Amino acid sequence: EADIYQTPRYLVIGTGKKITLECSQTMGHDKMYWYQQDPGMELHLIHYSYGVNSTEKGDLSSESTVSRIRTEHFPLTLESARPSHTSQYLCASRGLVPTGELFFGEGSRLTVL
Amino acid sequence: DAKTTQPTSMDCAEGRAANLPCNHSTISGNEYVYWYRQIHSQGPQYIIHGLKNNETNEMASLIITEDRKSSTLILPHATLRDTAVYYCIAWKSGNTPLVFGKGTRLSVIA
Repeated sequence: EADIYQTPRYLVIGTGKKITLECSQTMGHDKMYWYQQDPGMELHLIHYSYGVNSTEKGDLSSESTVSRIRTEHFPLTLESARPSHTSQYLCASRGLVPTGELFFGEGSRLTVL
Repeated sequence: DAKTTQPTSMDCAEGRAANLPCNHSTISGNEYVYWYRQIHSQGPQYIIHGLKNNETNEMASLIITEDRKSSTLILPHATLRDTAVYYCIAWKSGNTPLVFGKGTRLSVIA
């Protein structure tokens, strides 16, 4: 079992609110990722990090931001939520092994009204 | 990373082997072939990966052609719980992030 946790699992919030989706892993993995996925659609990489103080944008442009102050923690923030941000957000991590697999959290399903 | 091509969907009878093909004709020498699956809306699950030799683990077998331009994931005895979207990815790993494509939607039918 992978030790990577996301909270909240489900969030319904009004337009304009600031939200933070939490992602934590206890495996000491240096690489962490955020993917966004609409129902029945592809997974899109929106942010990733190679380690503390490292953040990169993924293939899909996103209005969200991330930070990596601690190895185990990779939160995603939306300063002003909009209905277009309604989606599922999946966090993943990977260790130092060159061909190591990605471990995924259970996801955060966000609905913006 | 090299582009991969997979059928959009496949059906398989329960108890039979499911053979999922993947084309990666532009794969480079340092790219591995990875397979993940996503059951419903859960996070993707790692299945298997290989470079050029065939690989087998408790979940599946991976057959890679000698020229490495295509591969087949084999689930030897498919069950209803194997119904999922299966992603084939050519990935050199290291610091390159993993990017998923559209995958193959496998439906296992009773």
